[in-house]
Amino acid sequence: KQEVTQIPAALSVPEGENLVLNCSFTDSAIYNLQWFRQDPGKGLTSLLLIQSSQREQTSGRLNASLDKSSGRSTLYIAASQPGDSATYLCACRGGNTPLVFGKGTRLSVIA
Amino acid sequence: SQTIHQWPATLVQPVGSPLSLECTVEGTSNPNLYWYRQAAGRGLQLLFYSVGIGQISSEVPQNLSASRPQDRQFILSSKKLLLSDSGFYLCAWNPFSGLGPNEQFFGPGTRLTVL
Repeated sequence: KQEVTQIPAALSVPEGENLVLNCSFTDSAIYNLQWFRQDPGKGLTSLLLIQSSQREQTSGRLNASLDKSSGRSTLYIAASQPGDSATYLCACRGGNTPLVFGKGTRLSVIA
Repeated sequence: SQTIHQWPATLVQPVGSPLSLECTVEGTSNPNLYWYRQAAGRGLQLLFYSVGIGQISSEVPQNLSASRPQDRQFILSSKKLLLSDSGFYLCAWNPFSGLGPNEQFFGPGTRLTVL
């Protein structure tokens, strides 16, 4: 059974810092991996989707990498801003099965 | 473009009352549909998912049920709410299985408080 772990559970950084959020998964036979952002009281917003054949995806200041062999993904946020404050969730899908989510990392960017 | 709607946005119900939450998706056909619950301070819990009309898979045994009466409509129901049913309910969809990216998208959620 797939298990997804996100470390750290919470992170506080000063504005402008580059940061890395970590995600690990136990079963490397994934179809894709998706990173989401959730603001308080809101639904999840898809940030990046990495297919199993890809190594990384980029969108603006965000870069997500995938290493299936080691069961790891990272989300890199460059030049963090207070507006980046949110909870970031990682989720894996194995074929046509539901996504398995981590518990998320709560990020606070301090101005 | 595709959009996903959920209603109501917030709901306060007494213990023992019935529940009906609705989710609809526009701009796509034959999507996979999902219901999740997010309790305070806890992670996302998958409740039900559906790969087609009338096809429902339950992930967690409880007093909730789901139905898919139309291709793009997913309903979450309960006959008698419990205090433990309080939480944030999220509907989601992704394209039906195939060679595509299968990116998943979420609705805005329904905040349910059972008193």
